[in-house]
Amino acid sequence: GDSVTQMEGPVTLSEEAFLTINCTYTATGYPSLFWYVQYPGEGLQLLLKATKADDKGSNKGFEATYRKETTSFHLEKGSVQVSDSAVYFCAGGSTLGRLYFGRGTQLTVWP
Amino acid sequence: SAVISQKPSRDICQRGTSLTIQCQVDSQVTMMFWYRQQPGQSLTLIATANQGSEATYESGFVIDKFPISRPNLTFSTLTVSNMSPEDSSIYLCSVPLAEDTQYFGPGTRLTVL
Repeated sequence: GDSVTQMEGPVTLSEEAFLTINCTYTATGYPSLFWYVQYPGEGLQLLLKATKADDKGSNKGFEATYRKETTSFHLEKGSVQVSDSAVYFCAGGSTLGRLYFGRGTQLTVWP
Repeated sequence: SAVISQKPSRDICQRGTSLTIQCQVDSQVTMMFWYRQQPGQSLTLIATANQGSEATYESGFVIDKFPISRPNLTFSTLTVSNMSPEDSSIYLCSVPLAEDTQYFGPGTRLTVL
């Protein structure tokens, strides 16, 4: 079945470092792709999305590009902040609205 | 964006009992989804709750264990029946408010002793 494989953490970075969290997908069609974030003690929030190949989703300085040739949707941020510490989930979406999630990557940013 | 609320926010239950979790959306939606997030794990879809018809369950989840009601377009309940410690998880409802985009409720943190 359709799935996403996400780089496992934890990832620990210093403030202002560059962040990459890898995500690849396996799907029979062309799913929409998402990054969700879960801050400590909070619910799951949509961070960004891309609905077709070559689309770039961006939000709060985070970016991810839907790359069909490599079946990837890697999350990047040029300069992380302490407030970015959270768990990040890559997800794919079917046309029926059902989502399948990666295992999540715990990011900790130190000042 | 719509407001999605869940009740209770957390509960501690005894083995063998049942808990019903409510999900309320402030706008009408055709489909609602129930997910489970086990400790340290990712989210797994339990079922799709359709208004006016039976819920559709994913592989590994059955109606007897997780009965779902969907009485109208803004509300759904998930019951976790005959609970065991393995049912300790965060249970989340979600609704699609844009094409293929799910928005999630705050979750219900369940601990089974």
